Amino acid sequence: AQKVTQAQTEISVVEKEDVTLDCVYETRDTTYYLFWYKQPPSGELVFLIRRNSFDEQNEISGRYSWNFQKSTSSFNFTITASQVVDSAVYFCALSEGGGSYIPTFGRGTSLIVHP
Amino acid sequence: NAGVTQTPKFRILKIGQSMTLQCTQDMNHNYMYWYRQDPGMGLKLIYYSVGAGITDKGEVPNGYNVSRSTTEDFPLRLELAAPSQTSVYFCASSSRVGNEQFFGPGTRLTVL
Repeated sequence: AQKVTQAQTEISVVEKEDVTLDCVYETRDTTYYLFWYKQPPSGELVFLIRRNSFDEQNEISGRYSWNFQKSTSSFNFTITASQVVDSAVYFCALSEGGGSYIPTFGRGTSLIVHP
Repeated sequence: NAGVTQTPKFRILKIGQSMTLQCTQDMNHNYMYWYRQDPGMGLKLIYYSVGAGITDKGEVPNGYNVSRSTTEDFPLRLELAAPSQTSVYFCASSSRVGNEQFFGPGTRLTVL
């Protein structure tokens, strides 16, 4: 069975603060994929990043960075110098061979960035 | 490319009515999915398909049916609508297992 936990239901910050969204996953497979998606207030779901289980390198894309640690089964997402446009619900997802690689999503973290 | 399109965007149904949510993708993806999103509950998989003619149940399939006669289309059928089916429905596709999913804009369904 696979499971994704996003323990933070809602985070509220002031613009320019750094914020980290946590994602903890459970899997018995050695081959799996992790994802982050963004859902802005308009409602669409937008893909942000994909990481496979064999690549633990951290990734940075502009103000966004991701920290993948297999030792703690975590795939955390940090936004540096947050902006109002970052306000959205962020979902972490896992797909693994034991689940036919069908993605399972966490419940999401709602990020509110105040001006 | 339009990506993944869904119709309708909004719909109100009366209890016991039926309807079909349409989903089409123009990316030639083999994998297609239907999710429902309820407040604070993330995305729950209803059905998925790994190719034309092949469908399988997800986590919450009761009350729904699907078909996949072509690569492009993956309609979701609701029979005998119930208030518990009030939700936002998302269709998604991916090119292969383990790849990112592309989502449609969603259908907001209310059953009264």
